[in-house]
Amino acid sequence: GQNIDQPTEMTATEGAIVQINCTYQTSGFNGLFWYQQHAGEAPTFLSYNVLDGLEEKGRFSSFLSRSKGYSYLLLKELQMKDSASYLCAAVSSGSARQLTFGSGTQLTVLP
Amino acid sequence: GAVVSQHPSRVICKSGTSVKIECRSLDFQATTMFWYRQFPKKSLMLMATSNEGSKATYEQGVEKDKFLINHASLTLSTLTVTSAHPEDSSFYICSARSHRDEQYFGPGTRLTVT
Repeated sequence: GQNIDQPTEMTATEGAIVQINCTYQTSGFNGLFWYQQHAGEAPTFLSYNVLDGLEEKGRFSSFLSRSKGYSYLLLKELQMKDSASYLCAAVSSGSARQLTFGSGTQLTVLP
Repeated sequence: GAVVSQHPSRVICKSGTSVKIECRSLDFQATTMFWYRQFPKKSLMLMATSNEGSKATYEQGVEKDKFLINHASLTLSTLTVTSAHPEDSSFYICSARSHRDEQYFGPGTRLTVT
């Protein structure tokens, strides 16, 4: 089975940097996604890590360590619009490549 | 990024009726699509994996006779909630997997059963 853990809530200030951690325990692993979801909307794709290391994409970066079962999403220069739920999802190693989602981290950016 | 549409975005139906939700990948072909259900302030729960041209694979606890899935083409999957009841009210989201293994989500369908 799959078990994904991430903090329930985080708060940060506009312009700051925040790191959202995600740990996973899976019976088969083929990569990790990060999604952003605003209330009442579908998730939007942020990043996909398959290999160890840091992937940088603008203000957002994502890191993966397969040996530690650990990932984080780093958000720089926070903006008010970054207030959302951030979902960590592990990809199964089966042919269907199913996603198992963590419970999501609700980030609140304060002025 | 790739575009996935869902229709309808909102639907209200009476208890006992059936509702069909469509999921379309607009600019890529998706041999695999997924259907999720999300309760308020909760994460996405995978309901089933929809494979083009074959039967869907349902997750444990999901009634396949209640949630009918059809993946008739490489760009369309449908979810039919049969004999809907108020407890079926939820946010239903589909996703389509690209050839690069990225999953793109539709905008979701808010189902309310009265």
